[in-house]
Amino acid sequence: DSGVTQTPKHLITATGQRVTLRCSPRSGDLSVYWYQQSLDQGLQFLIQYYNGEERAKGNILERFSAQQFPDLHSELNLSSLELGDSALYFCASSGGGGAQTQYFGPGTRLLVL
Amino acid sequence: AQTVTQSQPEMSVQEAETVTLSCTYDTSESNYYLFWYKQPPSRQMILVIRQEAYKQQNATENRFSVNFQKAAKSFSLKISDSQLGDTAMYFCAFQLSNFGNEKLTFGTGTRLTIIP
Repeated sequence: DSGVTQTPKHLITATGQRVTLRCSPRSGDLSVYWYQQSLDQGLQFLIQYYNGEERAKGNILERFSAQQFPDLHSELNLSSLELGDSALYFCASSGGGGAQTQYFGPGTRLLVL
Repeated sequence: AQTVTQSQPEMSVQEAETVTLSCTYDTSESNYYLFWYKQPPSRQMILVIRQEAYKQQNATENRFSVNFQKAAKSFSLKISDSQLGDTAMYFCAFQLSNFGNEKLTFGTGTRLTIIP
C-alpha cells in the first residue's frame, strides 16, 4: 500500500459526459501528479500540483482540468468525454522539494462508451 | 525533451533464474534520477528501485539491482532468483532534478513472465 488513495476505482460513462477523479496524497506529501495510461499512448504525464498551485503541465487536453485543495487532495475533471479518453488514470504524490520519488495510487479505470 | 526506450516488449524466464531488462534514455542534462516501476496484473504501479545520476554506485534492493552506465545512457534492471510474483510489466522512468520539472517520463515497458 503506497499510502496514496484514489476514488473511484472504476468509472463507466457515456461520451459527452463529465467525471471527477479524486486523489488523496500520502500524509505529508505536498506534490500531486496525474498520469494517464492508455494502450496507444502509454504512460503520460498530465499535470502536477504543489501545495495548491499548478507547477507543471504535460499533455493535458483543454477538456481536462485539475486542482489541489487546501487539505492537499486533488481532483481531475474530465469533460466532453470521448471514446479515446478511456484509460487508467493514476495519481502519484511526493514530498515535492525537488525531484523526489513518486508513489502511485491504485488508479481509476475510466471506460467511456 | 527526454526520451526513454525499452527495446524488449516481452521476456520470459524460468523461476529462480536471473533476468536483465534493458533501458536506454536520451537527455542533455547531467542531473537526473532513474527509476524502475513494476506493474503487476493488479495494475498498481510499484517502485522497484531508484538511481541518482550523480552516484557512481549502482543501486540494489534485495534481489533487484541496476547497471547504470551514465556515459552510455543505459540503465538496466537485473532480477536475481526470479519468483512467480515478479511477473509484471516493468517500466523504466526518467526524472530531471530541476525544481518545477519533476515529471516522470516512462518507457513503453517490458512484460516479464516468470515460468514455474
